[in-house]
Amino acid sequence: EPEVTQTPSHQVTQMGQEVILRCVPISNHLYFYWYRQILGQKVEFLVSFYNNEISEKSEIFDDQFSVERPDGSNFTLKIRSTKLEDSAMYFCASSPDRFDTQYFGPGTRLTVL
Amino acid sequence: AQSVTQLGSHVSVSEGALVLLRCNYSSSVPPYLFWYVQYPNQGLQLLLKYTSAATLVKGINGFEAEFKKSETSFHLTKPSAHMSDAAEYFCAVSLKAAGNKLTFGGGTRVLVKP
Repeated sequence: EPEVTQTPSHQVTQMGQEVILRCVPISNHLYFYWYRQILGQKVEFLVSFYNNEISEKSEIFDDQFSVERPDGSNFTLKIRSTKLEDSAMYFCASSPDRFDTQYFGPGTRLTVL
Repeated sequence: AQSVTQLGSHVSVSEGALVLLRCNYSSSVPPYLFWYVQYPNQGLQLLLKYTSAATLVKGINGFEAEFKKSETSFHLTKPSAHMSDAAEYFCAVSLKAAGNKLTFGGGTRVLVKP
């Protein structure tokens, strides 16, 4: 069964460094998403992406964040200058259509020191 | 804006006993409602969803949930717990009028005792 994959599973970085989290969505899906979960808090929506542009973003998704689909398979989340409060589990998801079920990857745990 | 509240961050049940996980939502328009499950070191897996068809929704692994508009609830049940049901369960809501972003509850971790 097709699944969403994410790499790396765990990323440790120093404050102020740039990180790129990678996701490979399910191949025939058209909508892509990033969510995050800070330890002990709710899963929060960050951004949705369709047709090579952002379709919706939350207040969390400020200028430090960007998303890209650099080729036909990868979907990336970049954090330009990481802060301690960016430490969280980041989940990628994809869906075949706008209001269809979102399928989630296993997550990348980001630790900012 | 929509929101979701899950009562109880931890639930302990005996194997074979009823599993009941509570979810209440607030929404100004008819919502879509979801239950996801997360097993250790895995992603969020859809258990079931309500999208304005039948109010009693059956999902995978013997789970079901009932949409009650008057109570703004979408509680998840399973008649008989199995050891493999130990996981974290998340209720989520989305609004067609507000794109497809999911708003999640805080999650309920289920422990199954033998």
